[in-house]
Amino acid sequence: QVQLQESGPGLVKPSQTLSLTCTVSGGSISSGGYYWTWIRQPAGKGLEWIGRIHVSGSTYYYPSLNSRVTMSVDTSKNQFSLKLSSVTAADTAVYYCARGVYESSGYYLDPWGQGTLVTVSS
Amino acid sequence: EIVLTQSPGTLSLSPGEGVTLSCRASQSISTTHLAWYQQKPGQAPRLLIYGASNRATGIPDRFSGSGSGTDFTLTISRLEPEDFAVYYCQQYGSAPSTFGQGTRLEIK
Repeated sequence: QVQLQESGPGLVKPSQTLSLTCTVSGGSISSGGYYWTWIRQPAGKGLEWIGRIHVSGSTYYYPSLNSRVTMSVDTSKNQFSLKLSSVTAADTAVYYCARGVYESSGYYLDPWGQGTLVTVSS
Repeated sequence: EIVLTQSPGTLSLSPGEGVTLSCRASQSISTTHLAWYQQKPGQAPRLLIYGASNRATGIPDRFSGSGSGTDFTLTISRLEPEDFAVYYCQQYGSAPSTFGQGTRLEIK
């Protein structure tokens, strides 16, 4: 079965760029019908969309973070990545990657990675 | 964007009881594109229900979903100790997709 695993630094300094990678195992990232997504969750709070990418390179970034987000896909490594620039303490959260399963007009998320805590602090 | 309001915010129940969680949309979701997730402390969310009423693989049949339009529910017929968690709904029928704020189910 498909599994996802986030990796990247757990501590990032303010104003720097947060970089995370999600490695997909048990299936090909190039399989059709899927969107590869990033979601975050500040401590004690709800789920917040960051954005998604399709293997074709098509992206959608949610407006609240749009200007600071870049996503990419590396099919040779079966990975997709997130970069979030100019981070502040407000970006401290657990970051999840997830597979979006497309269903006519949108997608639900299954499975999810275990999540990785990123703290923004000097 | 569609705002999802989950109620109640927190529910205190005992194992063996049944419960229905509500997810109300600010406008009609044109298709039954609503999902439910369960999140236990320190864990990632897990898909329970998609398409409003379809159980995900491996999800026990004590979980069921229903609804259409603006009103959706998740029912757990008999609570097991492992069911005490936070539950989120997500609509994906209208872009951008949105999550509800969550309902916390705690042991009484």
